[in-house]
Amino acid sequence: DAGVTQSPTHLIKTRGQQVTLRCSPKSGHDTVSWYQQALGQGPQFIFQYYEEEERQRGNFPDRFSGHQFPNYSSELNVNALLLGDSALYLCASSGRRLYGYTFGSGTRLTVV
Amino acid sequence: GQNIDQPTEMTATEGAIVQINCTYQTSGFNGLFWYQQHAGEAPTFLSYNVLDGLEEKGRFSSFLSRSKGYSYLLLKELQMKDSASYLCAVITNQAGTALIFGKGTTLSVSS
Repeated sequence: DAGVTQSPTHLIKTRGQQVTLRCSPKSGHDTVSWYQQALGQGPQFIFQYYEEEERQRGNFPDRFSGHQFPNYSSELNVNALLLGDSALYLCASSGRRLYGYTFGSGTRLTVV
Repeated sequence: GQNIDQPTEMTATEGAIVQINCTYQTSGFNGLFWYQQHAGEAPTFLSYNVLDGLEEKGRFSSFLSRSKGYSYLLLKELQMKDSASYLCAVITNQAGTALIFGKGTTLSVSS
């Protein structure tokens, strides 16, 4: 049974560019949450998608947007990249079991 | 606001016992998680406490005191593979289903 799959694993972008990160949830899960983890810090909640809608959002600017598809997979888009956006971006999926989160290994984004 | 504190680093030797503390100041507390994260890997679930007391699961135990805003993760019979970052996270009424993480504690186990 595949867990949460994220792609790509690593990415280098230039300031001002746009990036799209992808996440496939664990089989049977229908909710996807995205977190940003800067080096040496704990993950910070960006937003959560359920039934193809953003259900909850953390304290991140509008440059961060997302989407969920009918198959429950999700994308995280970041526009106008800043150096400070360099981080590990984690996707976590969950299903009927409340708080039963499964994390992916993340996408390491480096902005230069 | 929400505040979660953990020690930044801890060291221990194989076979020993280590206790990683987590203190939190939040409103509308609904529960506390512990995750383990090896470098470059996904955080993996260790425990979830919502009521006061000790939850034991093999070599790992987790304790919660809601009145003191305090939790600890106890690791027994340490192994080299336990070297990792340990993340404390809380859920609150205000945050809904979002996890609010501390900065994590990096544990180094030596032989």
